[in-house]
Amino acid sequence: SAVISQKPSRDICQRGTSLTIQCQVDSQVTMMFWYRQQPGQSLTLIATANQGSEATYESGFVIDKFPISRPNLTFSTLTVSNMSPEDSSIYLCSVDKSPSGGRETQYFGPGTRLLVL
Amino acid sequence: GENVEQHPSTLSVQEGDSAVIKCTYSDSASNYFPWYKQELGKGPQLIIDIRSNVGEKKDQRIAVTLNKTAKHFSLHITETQPEDSAVYFCAASRGGSYIPTFGRGTSLIVHP
Repeated sequence: SAVISQKPSRDICQRGTSLTIQCQVDSQVTMMFWYRQQPGQSLTLIATANQGSEATYESGFVIDKFPISRPNLTFSTLTVSNMSPEDSSIYLCSVDKSPSGGRETQYFGPGTRLLVL
Repeated sequence: GENVEQHPSTLSVQEGDSAVIKCTYSDSASNYFPWYKQELGKGPQLIIDIRSNVGEKKDQRIAVTLNKTAKHFSLHITETQPEDSAVYFCAASRGGSYIPTFGRGTSLIVHP
């Protein structure tokens, strides 16, 4: 498994502003993933971040709204831009540390709880 | 793509009772089924997983069963304790480079 930390753990923001969430892993990983968890909803993948290349976004998510950085093999950031109340959610960082090297086993950070007023 | 349905959305039991959470999936190529537990204020944690080459897997008080023909799998928790109270997510994946698809979660409440 992996030890993952996220900052901030929670925040309350005004609409129209932006928030950058940091994710730190205790070991080097090839891929890092960002998820959104809305109240009562499933875990929805936002994008996959590979060090040294642009992030790959899932349908419904765009780089202008959720820019991602991946400067090295242990760190990533997700920015939620021009926020609206609909962005209120838990944002989760994850990595895949499957013994087989696959991506099917995801290990999650503690999450960032965002409330947009 | 894969679609995972999870039931019930809420489950309330008395301490010591058993709890069962059921999931169905749509992609017959899925072969890896993890279960996650998310406690309040924390991220989801992997608690047990099963691959399609086995029908059942057990780890102390928790067990998972898989019926590939019917495309459904279940989580069983016996002798529930208040600390089992959490949201449980099932997921399905083709394995390898395929990222899992998650169910909507079940909020389990164990009353002392």
